[in-house]
Amino acid sequence: NAGVTQTPKFQVLKTGQSMTLQCAQDMNHEYMSWYRQDPGMGLRLIHYSVGAGITDQGEVPNGYNVSRSTTEDFPLRLLSAAPSQTSVYFCASSLQGYNQPQHFGDGTRLSIL
Amino acid sequence: AQKITQTQPGMFVQEKEAVTLDCTYDTSDQSYGLFWYKQPSSGEMIFLIYQGSYDEQNATEGRYSLNFQKARKSANLVISASQLGDSAMYFCAMRFNTNAGKSTFGDGTTLTVKP
Repeated sequence: NAGVTQTPKFQVLKTGQSMTLQCAQDMNHEYMSWYRQDPGMGLRLIHYSVGAGITDQGEVPNGYNVSRSTTEDFPLRLLSAAPSQTSVYFCASSLQGYNQPQHFGDGTRLSIL
Repeated sequence: AQKITQTQPGMFVQEKEAVTLDCTYDTSDQSYGLFWYKQPSSGEMIFLIYQGSYDEQNATEGRYSLNFQKARKSANLVISASQLGDSAMYFCAMRFNTNAGKSTFGDGTTLTVKP
């Protein structure tokens, strides 16, 4: 029972490079989200999706793109990496409804030099 | 706008004692859910407890209980009989019926349990 799987676990990029953080869940969850967590801080919502083909912006969407072509996968793309995007990124999924808790992946630690 | 406030950046508690972590929220929605998550130093996020806006009873899960005061818009987490393994960061979060796909998190409280 894999749950929410994020890859890679660690990544170092140079400023200006692009990359995709992968997120996959095997629980048939409709809702998926991407967060970033800066040191000593809470989670800030980047983008979220309520189903395949439907995405929306969160609090801090600039510099990131997402797509949701399948229920299982929700990749996050950094278009042109900047040092300010150095952070830990978490993917989460849940069933539909405001009463459903989120299941989190283990996170991706991303450093931009 | 919906907002979660956790006013205690850090808390200390003696092992075996109870501790309350504060959470207040701001929303005009009538239907919403409140969640608490634990993040140990290893980094994973663990769901602890849920309270619905229409729930009349306070939620309980083992040593965790939620002191829900709807009129005051507060949803404090109470941990009874603290253990060393409770040392972690704790986040309060909220989801709303009008946009259930979107969650809002507080900045968290770091709890340290002293032996």
